[in-house]
Amino acid sequence: NAGVMQNPRHLVRRRGQEARLRCSPMKGHSHVYWYRQLPEEGLKFMVYLQKENIIDESGMPKERFSAEFPKEGPSILRIQQVVRGDSAAYFCASSPTSLLGGTNTEAFFGQGTRLTVV
Amino acid sequence: DQQVKQNSPSLSVQEGRISILNCDYTNSMFDYFLWYKKYPAEGPTFLISISSIKDKNEDGRFTVFLNKSAKHLSLHIVPSQPGDSAVYFCAARTGGGADGLTFGKGTHLIIQP
Repeated sequence: NAGVMQNPRHLVRRRGQEARLRCSPMKGHSHVYWYRQLPEEGLKFMVYLQKENIIDESGMPKERFSAEFPKEGPSILRIQQVVRGDSAAYFCASSPTSLLGGTNTEAFFGQGTRLTVV
Repeated sequence: DQQVKQNSPSLSVQEGRISILNCDYTNSMFDYFLWYKKYPAEGPTFLISISSIKDKNEDGRFTVFLNKSAKHLSLHIVPSQPGDSAVYFCAARTGGGADGLTFGKGTHLIIQP
């Protein structure tokens, strides 16, 4: 059973370009979370999605950032018109059920995509 | 506003001794706490968790203690092994509201031979 797969592992973009980060959750997992880790910082929650639905995007910047999790295919985190401050490691995690509700469910993380904006 | 705080950026422990990693939180709505371990260039991997209705959870060499009144938890690793050298993140979630985990900044544990 493959783990959470993220690609690409490394992505270099010039300022103003678009970045697309992909995440395939673990088999059987329908809940996907995106986190961003800035240098010397912990992981910051960005967005939580289920298939075809954004459940919680309270951590997403209001502009330039969007996420989707279509019925078929991976979840995509899209950053338009990237700026230097977007340079970070972006981690995707998945879980079989929601993390709410007192169950002993944890999220499994992918290896991350390191975005560098030059 | 840092709701989960790991005040020690790094910790050095001798092999075979006990490693104690600390974590403080401010949000009284947190009801579930997790520790993740992260090696360089890899994603975090789940280590151990504890529900707010408990004060201790043990799994092999790893034990997590929760002191709700002090809003403090700690991860004990005993005996410490070289492979334990990594960054350890404390994370918490609420029973309602945002579904994402709130992470601390991490503590870099270095196990010395």
